[in-house]
Amino acid sequence: TQLLEQSPQFLSIQEGENLTVYCNSSSVFSSLQWYRQEPGEGPVLLVTVVTGGEVKKLKRLTFQFGDARKDSSLHITAAQPGDTGLYLCAGVDRTGANNLFFGTGTRLTVIP
Amino acid sequence: ETGVTQTPRHLVMGMTNKKSLKCEQHLGHNAMYWYKQSAKKPLELMFVYNFKEQTENNSVPSRFSPECPNSSHLFLHLHTLQPEDSALYLCASSQAGPSGANVLTFGAGSRLTVL
Repeated sequence: TQLLEQSPQFLSIQEGENLTVYCNSSSVFSSLQWYRQEPGEGPVLLVTVVTGGEVKKLKRLTFQFGDARKDSSLHITAAQPGDTGLYLCAGVDRTGANNLFFGTGTRLTVIP
Repeated sequence: ETGVTQTPRHLVMGMTNKKSLKCEQHLGHNAMYWYKQSAKKPLELMFVYNFKEQTENNSVPSRFSPECPNSSHLFLHLHTLQPEDSALYLCASSQAGPSGANVLTFGAGSRLTVL
């Protein structure tokens, strides 16, 4: 099992604020995914990053994959209440199985 | 129905009961997964089926028994569970291939409580 640590574990902010969530590992991954999970639902894919140093933007969300492909960050600009949820990073292992290893999660609450 | 459907959404069972969780995917994917989600723990991969063949069993106790009769259906049979098995059980599917970047589509989960 390859461990991915996410920080912070919990985050509560006011609407309109910016925030960054981190996902760190000592392992190298072939790619990394970010999911958001809302209460009563399963995780939903937000983005996949593949290349070291890659930056992807999804509206107010900016995802970055570390140069060494061991870590990633998610930055949200001007957070909205609809951004509330559990954010999960998941690394795809480099063996032939291509299994996903999920991070510990960051629970974000955006207060109106 | 579209996506990945799990039933039941909620299940309460005693330690001596036998029950089953069901998952169905309508995406034409060739791989299906069971994950366990407990409070304060990362999602734990339990079982993987590729083309109906079990390819992964992450040291899951035998009181959990998976079944994959075809590429669209996945079951998790439960027998003599323990209270610590209470969790959200998530089913997922993907189109697995050699190119990697395995993207999962999850169901809404089955919330299991063992008394």
